[in-house]
Amino acid sequence: EDQVTQSPEALRLQEGESSSLNCSYTVSGLRGLFWYRQDPGKGPEFLFTLYSAGEEKEKERLKATLTKKESFLHITAPKPEDSATYLCAVRGYSQAGTALIFGKGTTLSVSS
Amino acid sequence: SAVISQKPSRDICQRGTSLTIQCQVDSQVTMMFWYRQQPGQSLTLIATANQGSEATYESGFVIDKFPISRPNLTFSTLTVSNMSPEDSSIYLCSGETGASYNEQFFGPGTRLTVL
Repeated sequence: EDQVTQSPEALRLQEGESSSLNCSYTVSGLRGLFWYRQDPGKGPEFLFTLYSAGEEKEKERLKATLTKKESFLHITAPKPEDSATYLCAVRGYSQAGTALIFGKGTTLSVSS
Repeated sequence: SAVISQKPSRDICQRGTSLTIQCQVDSQVTMMFWYRQQPGQSLTLIATANQGSEATYESGFVIDKFPISRPNLTFSTLTVSNMSPEDSSIYLCSGETGASYNEQFFGPGTRLTVL
């Protein structure tokens, strides 16, 4: 069964304090791993898609990396506006076809 | 990427009633999906809305409870039927185009409370 586990559930950082969020996954053939940002009361906002182990993508203070079993979202020198819930999802070559399997998310709070 | 709007943004309903949620995309999309996000839980796919044909439902979700329509490439509706308090959740519509394959973008969600 395809599964996604994110850790930690919540993370509090001071402004400028870099850290990483983890996404561990089990999938029968990875078609893609996705990172989303979700602000309270809003739908998820697409950040990155990663396809194969060793791949990295960056956007401003965020950098996503992928191995065969997990992905990390590195946040460098975060600012208060980076506070949000970050969701990880996978899509595999399973009978579910186009379904995205989501983790529960990591809620990041950055204080000034 | 396209922009998705949903109506209503929130509603409070009585048990036993039904609510229809509308999803409108500002451009044509290949795929449309409906998700549920319960408090403290991950997003769960309810079904894939197929244009001009019956939706494809995930395990645990049935057409009688969650009928879905998709009359064209930019619009879909999800009905939550015979509601109970357990249906209280956020319902999200998403879309995906062939040009942005694997980039699924989401609407703002509909927050449903069933009393």
